[in-house]
Amino acid sequence: KQEVTQIPAALSVPEGENLVLNCSFTDSAIYNLQWFRQDPGKGLTSLLLIQSSQREQTSGRLNASLDKSSGRSTLYIAASQPGDSATYLCAVTPYSSASKIIFGSGTRLSIRP
Amino acid sequence: ETGVTQSPTHLIKTRGQQVTLRCSSQSGHNTVSWYQQALGQGPQFIFQYYREEENGRGNFPPRFSGLQFPNYSSELNVNALELDDSALYLCASSYTGLVRGTQYFGPGTRLLVL
Repeated sequence: KQEVTQIPAALSVPEGENLVLNCSFTDSAIYNLQWFRQDPGKGLTSLLLIQSSQREQTSGRLNASLDKSSGRSTLYIAASQPGDSATYLCAVTPYSSASKIIFGSGTRLSIRP
Repeated sequence: ETGVTQSPTHLIKTRGQQVTLRCSSQSGHNTVSWYQQALGQGPQFIFQYYREEENGRGNFPPRFSGLQFPNYSSELNVNALELDDSALYLCASSYTGLVRGTQYFGPGTRLLVL
């Protein structure tokens, strides 16, 4: 059974710092891995999608890596800003059921001005 | 192009009642998925509909049911509500031409069961 874990559950850093969010998954049989952002009480916005054949994806100040063999992904945020404060969710699309996405519990990020 | 919309935004029900949540897919999308997100948790997959047929289901009991209409809008019905059904319910739409896993999420319906 695929399980997705995110550490830490919460993180608070001062503005301007570079930071890394971690995600691990138990089954490497995945089509892809995604990072989503969720603002309080809101829906999800996809930030980056990494195909299983890829090692990383970049969008602006965000860079996500994927090591499928070890079941790990990281989301790197450069020069953090207060507007980056949100919950970040990692999710995988498994081979066993491509109709669904399996999510981690998220990391709640707070950027202090 | 309009995004995914959901109604109502908030809802309060009592235990044992029934509820219907609605979702309007993004234009051109033929697939809709529903997720339940409890407070402090990630979304959990309930089921997916493709061209009006159920196309995958998560570990939810039969009292969770759904419909997809010819215009690709969708409903989630929950019977015999329980306190643990209190959650944010998210709808997401996609179409078969997209990369697997690409789904566009609505803002959600917050359900509180008392």
